[in-house]
Amino acid sequence: GQQLNQSPQSMFIQEGEDVSMNCTSSSIFNTWLWYKQDPGEGPVLLIALYKAGELTSNGRLTAQFGITRKDSFLNISASIPSDVGIYFCAGRKSNFGNEKLTFGTGTRLTIIP
Amino acid sequence: DAGITQSPRHKVTETGTPVTLRCHQTENHRYMYWYRQDPGHGLRLIHYSYGVKDTDKGEVSDGYSVSRSKTEDFLLTLESATSSQTSVYFCAISEFQTGAGTEAFFGQGTRLTVV
Repeated sequence: GQQLNQSPQSMFIQEGEDVSMNCTSSSIFNTWLWYKQDPGEGPVLLIALYKAGELTSNGRLTAQFGITRKDSFLNISASIPSDVGIYFCAGRKSNFGNEKLTFGTGTRLTIIP
Repeated sequence: DAGITQSPRHKVTETGTPVTLRCHQTENHRYMYWYRQDPGHGLRLIHYSYGVKDTDKGEVSDGYSVSRSKTEDFLLTLESATSSQTSVYFCAISEFQTGAGTEAFFGQGTRLTVV
């Protein structure tokens, strides 16, 4: 099945640094979602994007829906220890919740002391 | 989160035995999903349900069956467990009308080990 290309696969950063990650697809999606997964837990929705070009923030997190509709980006500013985890992008071809999501393989974020 | 509960949280079973995982929701959402998560593969859809007794296959459905007899419960059965089914299984729920409050909402997962 199709999966989204998510990069980087892993990141090692120092506390206070900014983080950027992205997700690309060979086909168009009309919804992009970003989730975070903490160890031993299920993914939790961070940001939902429904319009090409849309830029949405959630605290220190900012996500963008690419204009081509084939990519999306997530930025985290001034990282803190609780940002550690795995970040997943997910795409859906429609704006309706009955359609299945396609997930990226995740970006693992580690903060170096 | 309180809106979706998976049971059991951990299970070890022997090859060849049947296993049933349960997902229970209190949100009255129409759609329910079972995913498996494996290193390097992200989340892959096993089966999903769009209503009571209405289910369909996902991308990795071989060796799995599901049932939904009530809105709130979605069961995943491994008919004869194999070592390749060792994984972490997640249930998710969603609604038709989208928005940050109705997008796929995940349970805490079930870690299944087949020995």
